[in-house]
Amino acid sequence: RKEVEQDPGPFNVPEGATVAFNCTYSNSASQSFFWYRQDCRKEPKLLMSVYSSGNEDGRFTAQLNRASQYISLLIRDSKLSDSATYLCVVDLRTDKLIFGTGTRLQVFP
Amino acid sequence: DTGVSQDPRHKITKRGQNVTFRCDPISEHNRLYWYRQTLGQGPEFLTYFQNEAQLEKSRLLSDRFSAERPKGSFSTLEIQRTEQGDSAMYLCASSLVAGALYEQYFGPGTRLTVT
Repeated sequence: RKEVEQDPGPFNVPEGATVAFNCTYSNSASQSFFWYRQDCRKEPKLLMSVYSSGNEDGRFTAQLNRASQYISLLIRDSKLSDSATYLCVVDLRTDKLIFGTGTRLQVFP
Repeated sequence: DTGVSQDPRHKITKRGQNVTFRCDPISEHNRLYWYRQTLGQGPEFLTYFQNEAQLEKSRLLSDRFSAERPKGSFSTLEIQRTEQGDSAMYLCASSLVAGALYEQYFGPGTRLTVT
């Protein structure tokens, strides 16, 4: 079983739609959680850290459910520029990030 | 530009040659990480440094790979006797360890193609 699992997609949504991605992790000792965004052939960019109480940054909302070991990312009012691969990431406090394979999002006009 | 920088951005080499990549972290960051990413996969951890000390190495890092951070600033990753399976994007990241949550910021990567 992979340590971090994501639906690879692609998710094809129209502009203005709301889209949600889920991710599950296998190690209950995971301490920190992140969403990164990666454009084609570019480096991953930190989108947001995920806190236990959940957090919001503009159109993006992240939630953490430790009991079920899953993390979610909600994007409201999708823009064309949101098209990218979204990487779910956990950190076991071993100082190395463990990445999922990513979920690809394509927003169309 | 105050972000993480990597050099070169692209490298094409023949099998059996040695290659060396450089990473310059964000200046105030004390931790530096190397990851490798192949097509369709997320990045995989290779090794990391706190200041000049190499604290962990992945089993992915065979004895053909060596990384250094001699003065606790920039780092180099060398691959000896390259193989076609080494073709990948090599990503460097840095972070500042302070408090309970520290975030890693990535450089643009070095894309290696071994022919």
